[in-house]
Amino acid sequence: DTEVTQTPKHLVMGMTNKKSLKCEQHMGHRAMYWYKQKAKKPPELMFVYSYEKLSINESVPSRFSPECPNSSLLNLHLHALQPEDSALYLCASSQDRSSTGGPGEQYFGPGTRLTVT
Amino acid sequence: AQSVTQLDSHVSVSEGTPVLLRCNYSSSYSPSLFWYVQHPNKGLQLLLKYTSAATLVKGINGFEAEFKKSETSFHLTKPSAHMSDAAEYFCVASGTYKYIFGTGTRLKVLA
Repeated sequence: DTEVTQTPKHLVMGMTNKKSLKCEQHMGHRAMYWYKQKAKKPPELMFVYSYEKLSINESVPSRFSPECPNSSLLNLHLHALQPEDSALYLCASSQDRSSTGGPGEQYFGPGTRLTVT
Repeated sequence: AQSVTQLDSHVSVSEGTPVLLRCNYSSSYSPSLFWYVQHPNKGLQLLLKYTSAATLVKGINGFEAEFKKSETSFHLTKPSAHMSDAAEYFCVASGTYKYIFGTGTRLKVLA
């Protein structure tokens, strides 16, 4: 099974709301990633979890709060977002490191389309 | 610093004709290289990967890519385009701690 699932598929939220995005994988991968993708752009890395610990935060605003409850689950908690945060949010997973030391091949979920009103 | 350059932002081909999507990379070492495809409003799907084994890599859906170290290139090809190949394609290098993405190539397939 090479599937990464994400819920919900679509989310519309106001700037004062609190919501969460969920990601799940059952491939035994020990690294999980959150990306943000704006239209017609490549994905931008937000966070990396390695063995359930946050290893990389790419200077993401604190209104985005990641959580890794266990090795299969990754959440992204959202609070007080801005309209410019509207985007496709992608989750990915991989073996922790490749033989060359960098991130191994990543498997992506279908994404959550977030609209902030 | 590592970088990935996709030489064409848009490519149009007729159905049944060959596809060539060009990618150059810059790195102080031979990185792992990947091609991903993204259909509208979908996630990224791995087409193929190069990890220092064979320089000609075969992927899914008839795609293949050739790693040429002397040209620092990793171009993606397919002998015959299908309508379902219309999508965004990303060339990606595995950096020291994260993926380095190219800017993407939009492939249009004409009937």
